[in-house]
Amino acid sequence: DIQMTQSPSSLSASVGDRVTITCRASQGISSWLAWYQQKPEKAPKSLIYAASSLQSGVPSRFSGSGSGTDFTLTISSLQPEDFATYYCQQYDTFPFTFGQGTKLEIK
Amino acid sequence: QVQLQESGPGLVKPSQTLSLTCTVSGGSISSGGYYWSWIRQHPGKGLGWIGYISYSGNTYYNPSLKSRVTMSMDTSKNQFSLKLSSVTAADTAVYYCARAAFSSPGAFDIWGQGTMVTVSS
Repeated sequence: DIQMTQSPSSLSASVGDRVTITCRASQGISSWLAWYQQKPEKAPKSLIYAASSLQSGVPSRFSGSGSGTDFTLTISSLQPEDFATYYCQQYDTFPFTFGQGTKLEIK
Repeated sequence: QVQLQESGPGLVKPSQTLSLTCTVSGGSISSGGYYWSWIRQHPGKGLGWIGYISYSGNTYYNPSLKSRVTMSMDTSKNQFSLKLSSVTAADTAVYYCARAAFSSPGAFDIWGQGTMVTVSS
């Protein structure tokens, strides 16, 4: 299975900050990468697909980049509703696999 | 818009079969163009993909669960289902159903709210 490793595992930041989360795949996955946001007791919400395509309805402060093995999710200016856990996921190779998550907390 | 809703028993005994159904509203599961997946999340842990069934009924299961998983669909009810046999406490998790477009079979754009399943005697 392809291993997805996110860093950091947790992050403290303030409203208005620019935040970057990194995701590394154990082998190349082209641009077959998605990002999700999950709030406590809620289902994950799709943010990004194909590494950099913004899902419909997602604010433009979210952006994704990368290809091959290294990817990033950037939030340009944190809003209070952005504090959550973020997951990357590859869908290049079966079985699809997720990163372990990055918990974004209020500083 | 399309919505997904999981349903099924919240408590299953060890060695029995876990059975869940995902009801799709706002769109037809057989109209083509989508894969319908099951994903689970162990308490306080990350996400794990179980497998999918396509609009035409083709399936792919995670090899780690393949021997115990069966997915099916009932187009007359606009539902798809998951059966997981011989469950143990390790199968205790929140189970989600999710949709992915045919062009990106692993990019899940719509999720159900999830249902907690506990395996215990």
